Amino acid sequence: SQQGEEDPQALSIQEGENATMNCSYKTSINNLQWYRQNSGRGLVHLILIRSNEREKHSGRLRVTLDTSKKSSSLLITASRAADTASYFCATLRRGYSTLTFGKGTMLLVSP
Amino acid sequence: GAVVSQHPSRVICKSGTSVKIECRSLDFQATTMFWYRQFPKKSLMLMATSNEGSKATYEQGVEKDKFLINHASLTLSTLTVTSAHPEDSSFYICSASGGTGDETQYFGPGTRLLVL
Repeated sequence: SQQGEEDPQALSIQEGENATMNCSYKTSINNLQWYRQNSGRGLVHLILIRSNEREKHSGRLRVTLDTSKKSSSLLITASRAADTASYFCATLRRGYSTLTFGKGTMLLVSP
Repeated sequence: GAVVSQHPSRVICKSGTSVKIECRSLDFQATTMFWYRQFPKKSLMLMATSNEGSKATYEQGVEKDKFLINHASLTLSTLTVTSAHPEDSSFYICSASGGTGDETQYFGPGTRLLVL
């Protein structure tokens, strides 16, 4: 089964606005992680939330996790042009040691 | 900390040749390294997982003889694309995990392979 479906696929906002991306998954997880990828580059780890956590903050990032709905959201507040990138959620399923990545959300922040 | 490098960043080769990509963890010991393939505007597809000193575990559908993986030390893993063909052209990304228990992976910058 496919894990980590993000929506929207693409999001275009103005600088200063907030950006919200969602991720849904299908099986029980140990944790869920969000990564960022600039065009043609590797991924940068942003934040990890464990299955027993509901919300986590890191700077302008806020991640929520609802295990009953098998979904997570990533909120970027006061967005900047430099936040333009693709954002992926990845799940570590129970009993597995590998991450499963979603298809990603392409975020464009215009000045 | 937690820096992973990849070399080369770009490679162009002729069909039929082999290409080796190196992945190094620069400031930590990587008990596990992962190799992914990414097509344009697509997600990452896990190709294989390798642990230092043991054979790699390949994902279903990935040819072991085509994509040779060696994890000779706790800081180095290599992926060799043997007898490359144009359909092997892709963006290859490695990542490394230090075995912290949370399975956070630290990614290299990727290698873009173009097979002519």
